[in-house]
Amino acid sequence: KQEVTQIPAALSVPEGENLVLNCSFTDSAIYNLQWFRQDPGKGLTSLLLIQSSQREQTSGRLNASLDKSSGRSTLYIAASQPGDSATYLCAVWITSGTYKYIFGTGTRLKVLA
Amino acid sequence: NAGVTQTPKFRVLKTGQSMTLLCAQDMNHEYMYWYRQDPGMGLRLIHYSVGEGTTAKGEVPDGYNVSRLKKQNFLLGLESAAPSQTSVYFCASNTPTGKVSYNEQFFGPGTRLTVL
Repeated sequence: KQEVTQIPAALSVPEGENLVLNCSFTDSAIYNLQWFRQDPGKGLTSLLLIQSSQREQTSGRLNASLDKSSGRSTLYIAASQPGDSATYLCAVWITSGTYKYIFGTGTRLKVLA
Repeated sequence: NAGVTQTPKFRVLKTGQSMTLLCAQDMNHEYMYWYRQDPGMGLRLIHYSVGEGTTAKGEVPDGYNVSRLKKQNFLLGLESAAPSQTSVYFCASNTPTGKVSYNEQFFGPGTRLTVL
């Protein structure tokens, strides 16, 4: 059974710091991995989608990497800002025909001004 | 494109009352999902649909029913609401293409439901 873990559950950093959020999954047979952002009281916003054939994807200050063999993905945020404060979730779509994403429980990030 | 929309945004029910939550998407997506999100529990899948006229159970289906009569709409029903169903409900949709890798999931803004 695929399990997705995100550590740490919460993180506080000073503004301007570069940071890395981690996502681990137990079954490497995935089609893709998606990173989301969720602001308090809001829905999930898609940040990056990494296909199984890709090693990384970039959007602005965000860079997500994928290592299927080790079951890991990282989300790198450069020059963090208070506006980056949110909960970040990762989700994987596995190849066994389950028709759904498996979500991690998220990392709650707070960037201090 | 409006993306994924949910109606209503907020609702308060009394125990035993019924209601229907509506999800609509205008992206012609095949797959649609209902999740609930509770503090400390993460996202939990209630029911999902892989096409018009189809539905399937997720992790926590008890107490809920769904229907997908039209491709763009996915309805979540509570027949007899209980306080344990107090939660934030999210709808999502996506379409695995021939290359499943391009399978980006989009979420609605959520419905905050309180059952007294």
